Amino acid sequence: DAGITQSPRHKVTETGTPVTLRCHQTENHRYMYWYRQDPGHGLRLIHYSYGVKDTDKGEVSDGYSVSRSKTEDFLLTLESATSSQTSVYFCAISDHSNQPQHFGDGTRLSIL
Amino acid sequence: SQQGEEDPQALSIQEGENATMNCSYKTSINNLQWYRQNSGRGLVHLILIRSNEREKHSGRLRVTLDTSKKSSSLLITASRAADTASYFCATVAYGGATNKLIFGTGTLLAVQP
Repeated sequence: DAGITQSPRHKVTETGTPVTLRCHQTENHRYMYWYRQDPGHGLRLIHYSYGVKDTDKGEVSDGYSVSRSKTEDFLLTLESATSSQTSVYFCAISDHSNQPQHFGDGTRLSIL
Repeated sequence: SQQGEEDPQALSIQEGENATMNCSYKTSINNLQWYRQNSGRGLVHLILIRSNEREKHSGRLRVTLDTSKKSSSLLITASRAADTASYFCATVAYGGATNKLIFGTGTLLAVQP
C-alpha cells in the first residue's frame, strides 16, 4: 500500500465547531486530493493540491478550506461544521494528475 | 456532476462465475480507470485504459473501451468470494492545467461462496 495516513479515522463533533482532518504521505507525490463519499453520489472532489502552497477547488468546495505547507501534509478544514458535512472523507495522492491515485482508508466524520 | 455511471448498481453471482460491470461517461476523455473498494477501506486502483486503447488485461480482469459509445466494461473472470467489493469507474477529461478524476456511483458486487 502507498504510504498514506489519514487522521483521525473517526470523529464525532457538534454543529458549528471547527474540524481539521489530516492527510500525511510518505511517497513524495506532487498531487494530493480530498474527496467525500456519500451514498448515491460516489466520490466527489472537494479540493486538491498540485504542490506546496498550490491548491484549487473541486466540485463540492463550499464550506471547506485546505492548506499544504509541506509536500507530505494536506489539511482539510471545516471552519464551522454542518450536519450536511457528515460523510466519509478520503485523501488521495498521485504523481501526475492523469495517473492512478492512491487512497487512504478514510475518515468517518459525524456532525450532530 | 457525475461523469461516469455504472451499471448495474448491484450484482450478485456465485463463485466461479464471471462478473461484468459497465460504465458510461459524457465527455471526451484522456483515460478511464477502474477502482475497487472493500467495505470500510479506501479505493484501490485496478487498471487504466487510455483513450486510444480498446482492450486491456490484468490477471483475471479485462477492460474494454468504446470511445464512440462513451462506454467501458470491466469483466472479472472466475470470480472469488474475495472479489466482493464496490467497483468504480473514473474518467480523466481533457483540458485545463490539472486533470481531475470524475468518479461514477459504483457497482456493488457480491460473490457468493
